Amino acid sequence: QVQLQESGPGLVKPSETLSLTCAVSNYSISSGYYWGWIRQPPGKGLEWIGSVYHSGNTYYNPSLKSRLTMSIDTSKNQFSLKLRSVTAADTAVYYCARVFVGYAGIYWGQGTLVTVSS
Amino acid sequence: EIVLTQSPGTLSLSPGERATLSCRASQSVSSSYLAWYQQKPGQAPRLLIYGASSRATGIPDRFSGSGSGTDFTLIISRLEPEDFAVYYCQQYGSSPLTFGGGTKVEIK
Repeated sequence: QVQLQESGPGLVKPSETLSLTCAVSNYSISSGYYWGWIRQPPGKGLEWIGSVYHSGNTYYNPSLKSRLTMSIDTSKNQFSLKLRSVTAADTAVYYCARVFVGYAGIYWGQGTLVTVSS
Repeated sequence: EIVLTQSPGTLSLSPGERATLSCRASQSVSSSYLAWYQQKPGQAPRLLIYGASSRATGIPDRFSGSGSGTDFTLIISRLEPEDFAVYYCQQYGSSPLTFGGGTKVEIK
């Protein structure tokens, strides 16, 4: 069973950079698939942030593209998210998942709450 | 970007009743790449249906999906107590991937 686990700071100051990592277990990410991030503001719906391939190829949500960098580290079997210049609107539970065009999200992490506040 | 509109926003039903949830897309969803997820408070979404009508592993057969093009439906034939939750549709046929706003199925 593929398992994903998010990690990173739970509190980020406005204008700073939100950084999260997702560790993948029981599957080598260099074997294939895109790996993605999805977020959910408190009490609201789901928003796809972007997805990254083991080659480093990325697809981003156009609404976040200017502030977003995703990367992948096959040696550590993990992938990462950096969202710059955050505001309170970026406060959300951030999930990592194996999801992209052509395949639905069958594997998800448990999610991590990131709060943007001074 | 494909916009997904779910209706109704809230469905109030009793255990044993049938639930019908709708998801309408602003343009045709490629290859019927439409999924349904169930989410309970404090939990990650759980995949129920993919490819519009295929049940994910371990999903009871009281859950069924149908539709193509721009109109999709999730039916829960007989609601069990554990089925009261929020349900989201998602299209994964084109980037950006998008989700509907959700339908909350609550106990009447």
